[in-house]
Amino acid sequence: GAGVSQSPSNKVTEKGKDVELRCDPISGHTALYWYRQSLGQGLEFLIYFQGNSAPDKSGLPSDRFSAERTGGSVSTLTIQRTQQEDSAVYLCASSWLGGITGELFFGEGSRLTVL
Amino acid sequence: GQQVMQIPQYQHVQEGEDFTTYCNSSTTLSNIQWYKQRPGGHPVFLIQLVKSGEVKKQKRLTFQFGEAKKNSSLHITATQTTDVGTYFCAGMGMSTSYGKLTFGQGTILTVHP
Repeated sequence: GAGVSQSPSNKVTEKGKDVELRCDPISGHTALYWYRQSLGQGLEFLIYFQGNSAPDKSGLPSDRFSAERTGGSVSTLTIQRTQQEDSAVYLCASSWLGGITGELFFGEGSRLTVL
Repeated sequence: GQQVMQIPQYQHVQEGEDFTTYCNSSTTLSNIQWYKQRPGGHPVFLIQLVKSGEVKKQKRLTFQFGEAKKNSSLHITATQTTDVGTYFCAGMGMSTSYGKLTFGQGTILTVHP
């Protein structure tokens, strides 16, 4: 597709279960971000991948959160032993730093609800 | 680490009034970007400013980058109901992870018809 694709769009899970959220960035984009957004709130930075560099994990809220990016393309955000406070929309964004603006293109997000 | 502060957090205006949101960085920026997020949507890129003192206009929107490249503003003239949403600034620092953008908290704009 032409845009950033995220799946699932909605996920309802029980407290304590693990979840995986997937992001397919725009082809050729070297930078990929994960953000978390609670209702009516701003964008909480989680993790940043840039090319082959070590990811910037400084935003991950706890060791229950992890992310990987395989082959410089698809990324998976994993949340282990989910808690109710993990409920939010998880947004993925990608960009090509070699472009004119380096603008971020966001996916539609994955809405996670932890019961 | 780098911090980007944005004020105000909320702004309620009557249609036709002007609106301004301000963004301040704790460090000098290489560039700053602005995004708009409509209710229920995802952030969408509006513009990027790169040069010290730069001013850019898009119809009723005016974007400014400070001389010290540490602050920026977005001004909307004569707001319309279609301007409703959250406006985010995002700064790219000079000493953080290469290319990493740090977002402000956003300003939620409500326009009353």
